[in-house]
Amino acid sequence: DIVMTQSPDSLAVSLGERATITCKSSQSVLYSSNNKNYLAWYQQKPGQPPKLLIYWASTRESGVPDRFSGSGSGTDFTLTISSLQAEDVAVYYCQQYYSRAITFGQGTRLEIK
Amino acid sequence: QVQLVQSGAEVKNPGASVKVSCKASGYTFTSYYMHWVRQAPGQGLEWMGMINPSDGGTNYPQKFQGRVSMTRDTSTSTVYMELSSLRSEDTALYYCARTIYGDSYYMDVWGKGTTVIVSS
Repeated sequence: DIVMTQSPDSLAVSLGERATITCKSSQSVLYSSNNKNYLAWYQQKPGQPPKLLIYWASTRESGVPDRFSGSGSGTDFTLTISSLQAEDVAVYYCQQYYSRAITFGQGTRLEIK
Repeated sequence: QVQLVQSGAEVKNPGASVKVSCKASGYTFTSYYMHWVRQAPGQGLEWMGMINPSDGGTNYPQKFQGRVSMTRDTSTSTVYMELSSLRSEDTALYYCARTIYGDSYYMDVWGKGTTVIVSS
């Protein structure tokens, strides 16, 4: 199985500042035939199911604020929140769908400093 | 609107089985795969497998093969996930989530989850 490793496990950022979460896969999730990275990001707030933020590593889901952005390719990916808002407090997960055995990262807890 | 409505909480004894349902509405049921993802208390997300509602085809990770079964009823747009030989480690919140056909297995709509508690 492809192992997804996120860092850090937890992060505290001041309101209005940038938050950056990284996700590393144990093998490339870039499919060469279509040049797409099979990686998604989710946000999970307490007591709620996960919410899709980003897919294909950098495509923002409809309705997701543009302060959220995804980047990276191959095995190294980043989720960036450009200006942290109070409502962004949550746990963030990356997920690969390159393999038919879907796997998630362990999650990164984002808090306000 | 697109919704996935899951069945209510369950409490089971160790060794028993549980069957959780997920009823879809607001979209063409057979045009999307359905996945099951679980989350143990205070833990991360774990994928349990998927079903193609169109033909009933399934894909389970090795960890759950032989213990999980996913089925569907196209007449009611409902998918089911049955987990057998329950143990305490199966205590978790179980989510269904859909992905569109093809190889795009990112989950855009999720159910609210079903709590399963395994305890004697």
